[in-house]
Amino acid sequence: GENVEQHPSTLSVQEGDSAVIKCTYSDSASNYFPWYKQELGKGPQLIIDIRSNVGEKKDQRIAVTLNKTAKHFSLHITETQPEDSAVYFCAADTGKLIFGQGTTLQVKP
Amino acid sequence: GAGVSQSPSNKVTEKGKDVELRCDPISGHTALYWYRQSLGQGLEFLIYFQGNSAPDKSGLPSDRFSAERTGGSVSTLTIQRTQQEDSAVYLCASSLGQAGNTEAFFGQGTRLTVV
Repeated sequence: GENVEQHPSTLSVQEGDSAVIKCTYSDSASNYFPWYKQELGKGPQLIIDIRSNVGEKKDQRIAVTLNKTAKHFSLHITETQPEDSAVYFCAADTGKLIFGQGTTLQVKP
Repeated sequence: GAGVSQSPSNKVTEKGKDVELRCDPISGHTALYWYRQSLGQGLEFLIYFQGNSAPDKSGLPSDRFSAERTGGSVSTLTIQRTQQEDSAVYLCASSLGQAGNTEAFFGQGTRLTVV
C-alpha cells in the first residue's frame, strides 16, 4: 500500500524567512497530493493541493512542487508569519488519502 | 450543517468498556474516512468508505475496532474492550470521492481518554 514519509518533523524559522517541508511517496499510481494545516484543537484544513499532471502550483505565499519521477513533493511557505505556526501534513491519494507524519512549524516573531 | 460533525467531542471511559464515536459527513459526500491521531503524532488511517463499495478496513489496528456507515451517510466507529493505548483523537473526514479530486473535509475530532 501507499507509504508517505514527511520531513522534517519540526521546523523553526524566524518571521519573514521561508519554510520548506518535503514528502516522498511510494505508490507511483498516486495522482493527487494535498497539504493540510492543523491548528491546535482543530481538525486539519486543506491549504493547497496539486495533481499529477502539474509540476508546480502557487497560491499567494504558498507553493507546492511535484516531481513524479522521483516521487517527492514539497511545500514552500515564503515570508512566514506567526499565524503560519501549526502542524502541516502532506498526503497522497491512490483512491484513499494516506498522510505523512506531520511537521510542526514554529514561526518566531 | 455545513461541515463534518463529530460527537461526542470528548469521551472518558474506563478500560474494558465499549465506546461508540459518531460522524455526520457533509451531505452528498460519498467518501468517508476515519483517522486516529495520538498525542503529537500523525494521522493514522483506520478505515475508508466509498459509496456502496466494501469498506477498506486495512488500517484497523485490531479486531476490537469496527465501523459502520448506514445509508451512505452517518458513520459509527466502535471500539470494544477499550485499552489505555486507544487514547487518542479520532478524526472523521468526508469528500466527494471523485478520483483525483478528493479534497477531504475534517471534523473537529473526538478526544478519547481511557482510564
